[in-house]
Amino acid sequence: QVQLVESGGGVVQAGGSLRLSCAASGFTFSRHGMHWVRQAPGKGLEWVAFIRYDGGNEYYADSVKGRFTISRDTSKNALYLQMNSLRPEDTAVYYCSKDGPVRAAGPYNFDLWGQGTLVTVSS
Amino acid sequence: NFILTQPHSVSGSPGKTITISCTRSSGSIASHFVQWYQQRPGSSPTMVIYEDSQRPSGVPDRFSGSIDGASNSASLIISGLKTEDEADYYCQSYDRTIAVFGGGTTVTVL
Repeated sequence: QVQLVESGGGVVQAGGSLRLSCAASGFTFSRHGMHWVRQAPGKGLEWVAFIRYDGGNEYYADSVKGRFTISRDTSKNALYLQMNSLRPEDTAVYYCSKDGPVRAAGPYNFDLWGQGTLVTVSS
Repeated sequence: NFILTQPHSVSGSPGKTITISCTRSSGSIASHFVQWYQQRPGSSPTMVIYEDSQRPSGVPDRFSGSIDGASNSASLIISGLKTEDEADYYCQSYDRTIAVFGGGTTVTVL
C-alpha cells in the first residue's frame, strides 16, 4: 500500500525542540525527493522543506531556515524534520509529502500526502 | 521569490462550470509547471492536476487545467459541478529551490 505516515507531533513550549518522523511504504523511497508542508489552524498550505532523492540537497522556506533541518534514512524508508527554537507561529499540522518525478534535482510537486501530525507551540 | 494569487472563494450550482484562477506575481507562468490540489474538510490534500493540465489516474475528467501567458495565470476548471467538489483548492508551482502554494480558494456548491 502506497502511503506516508507521520508521527512525533505534540505540545512544546516556545524555544523548545521537536522531531517529526514520516514512514514511507509502497514506492521506491530512494528515487524520490520528499517534502514537509504545514498548515496552521484555519489557514492555507505552506511549503516548509525539501530534500533531494539522494539527500544531496536540502531547501527551506525562509520562515524556518536556520531553525529546521530535513533529513532522510533510505535504509528505514524514513523522513525526518528536526525543529529547533520553536515559535508560536510554527503551530500547525505538518504533512510529509512525496515529490512526483523520479530523481528530480529540486522541488517539483506533491503527489502523495500523509495524514499529518499536529504541532502546538505554547507561548 | 514569487507569489501565487487565488480568489478567496468561488461558488456554483450543481451541474455548472466554475473556474479558479491562479496568477503568478513575477516570472513567467509558463516557466515552471503548475499543479492543483483539492483538500476536503478534515482531510489531507490530494493532487487533481499536475504539469498544468494533466490529470492523475482516478481524477474525473470534469477537472481540467490550463495556463495563459497573456494574464500570467493558470486556471482550474471544474465542469458538471457536484456537491462532493466542495473543498479548498490550492495551486502550486516552484522555482529552482522553492515550492510555492497559492492562498487557496474555497469552492461552495450552492
